[in-house]
Amino acid sequence: GIQVEQSPPDLILQEGANSTLRCNFSDSVNNLQWFHQNPWGQLINLFYIPSGTKQNGRLSATTVATERYSLLYISSSQTTDSGVYFCAPRVEGSNYKLTFGKGTLLTVNP
Amino acid sequence: DAGVIQSPRHEVTEMGQEVTLRCKPISGHNSLFWYRQTMMRGLELLIYFNNNVPIDDSGMPEDRFSAKMPNASFSTLKIQPSEPRDSAVYFCASSLTGSNEKLFFGSGTQLSVL
Repeated sequence: GIQVEQSPPDLILQEGANSTLRCNFSDSVNNLQWFHQNPWGQLINLFYIPSGTKQNGRLSATTVATERYSLLYISSSQTTDSGVYFCAPRVEGSNYKLTFGKGTLLTVNP
Repeated sequence: DAGVIQSPRHEVTEMGQEVTLRCKPISGHNSLFWYRQTMMRGLELLIYFNNNVPIDDSGMPEDRFSAKMPNASFSTLKIQPSEPRDSAVYFCASSLTGSNEKLFFGSGTQLSVL
């Protein structure tokens, strides 16, 4: 199956700092989503981004499908950004199965 | 929109007991997924329904697990008999098949089997 690698595995920031999270995947994809799991366990969909760039407030994401990676940018981080960020691509040929990476654990300190 | 609704939020049971987890997907969504999250294995897809029909149950660990979707607004995941190794967070998620297939998760059920 498709291999999904997220980096870094852990990241500690001071409030106000910027960060970039990376997701590499091994196969061609037709769908890719980013999720945030907050400290209470809720999984929130951040982006549906099979290709191109999208922005939502302080967050933006870019997927370069031809090079098999996606990036999530967090600017001016806040303590509420803490949690685990998951990348979940879907391999071409599948019409439903997302494969979740192991995630990046982000801690934003005040 | 109420989002995906799961119940119960927490379930503590003893080994051997039957456990039933419930899910109400977002109205209008035609795809429903059950996931399990553990520290060791991360997020795993257990079963996928499309238009109430089970399409892929290859992730169901064993015969002790079963899932049903009797109508478009309700699904259950049953474990019988439960074992301590089933302890995990079980998530239900739904999406609308089509051009923008964002997946939306419920709040999960934290299951502890003693």
